[in-house]
Amino acid sequence: ETGVTQTPRHLVMGMTNKKSLKCEQHLGHNAMYWYKQSAKKPLELMFVYSLEERVENNSVPSRFSPECPNSSHLFLHLHTLQPEDSALYLCASSQDRPPHTGELFFGEGSRLTVL
Amino acid sequence: GQNIDQPTEMTATEGAIVQINCTYQTSGFNGLFWYQQHAGEAPTFLSYNVLDGLEEKGRFSSFLSRSKGYSYLLLKELQMKDSASYLCAVGAYGQNFVFGPGTRLSVLP
Repeated sequence: ETGVTQTPRHLVMGMTNKKSLKCEQHLGHNAMYWYKQSAKKPLELMFVYSLEERVENNSVPSRFSPECPNSSHLFLHLHTLQPEDSALYLCASSQDRPPHTGELFFGEGSRLTVL
Repeated sequence: GQNIDQPTEMTATEGAIVQINCTYQTSGFNGLFWYQQHAGEAPTFLSYNVLDGLEEKGRFSSFLSRSKGYSYLLLKELQMKDSASYLCAVGAYGQNFVFGPGTRLSVLP
């Protein structure tokens, strides 16, 4: 496998469910990110991890809980979500610690629908 | 903070040339990136400008004017497969990327 892979690609959940999104990067990068992409809105940065430490949390509600067990894996744990949380959740990685000038490598995304 | 603006939608004809503009306001500018995103797929890196001028890469070119806070992506010899969203992103010292709203380009036969 190469690049950044995300699972599941599609997820439908009720507001009381607990689920997790998984991201794995095979690029040897040091930084990993979660972005939210909603219809007709810019990509919103949610969390940044650098060398397995969370270095940024952009005022994301506590119903989203990230976890980075090692430099290759990143999770986003979801619980008691709201319908407005329905979006495409993109994982990305980059070589450098933030701030960086290198490019971001994105996964294919996990399309989340909250009923 | 940072503010980035792009046209929402553009339409062009196969074989033509199209220019997608991006204007930005930021402090500590550290580079401008263009990404392409096909529907339902991941954004992929197209170009990076940190100095003023034109960077050419095949059919795609990107221009930057730091004094004007302006960039454009130029696509030549348009193909149907170029139909996608094009995202402008700005990097700044001490901050992570900020993405613009994206421009959805439709290439018509």
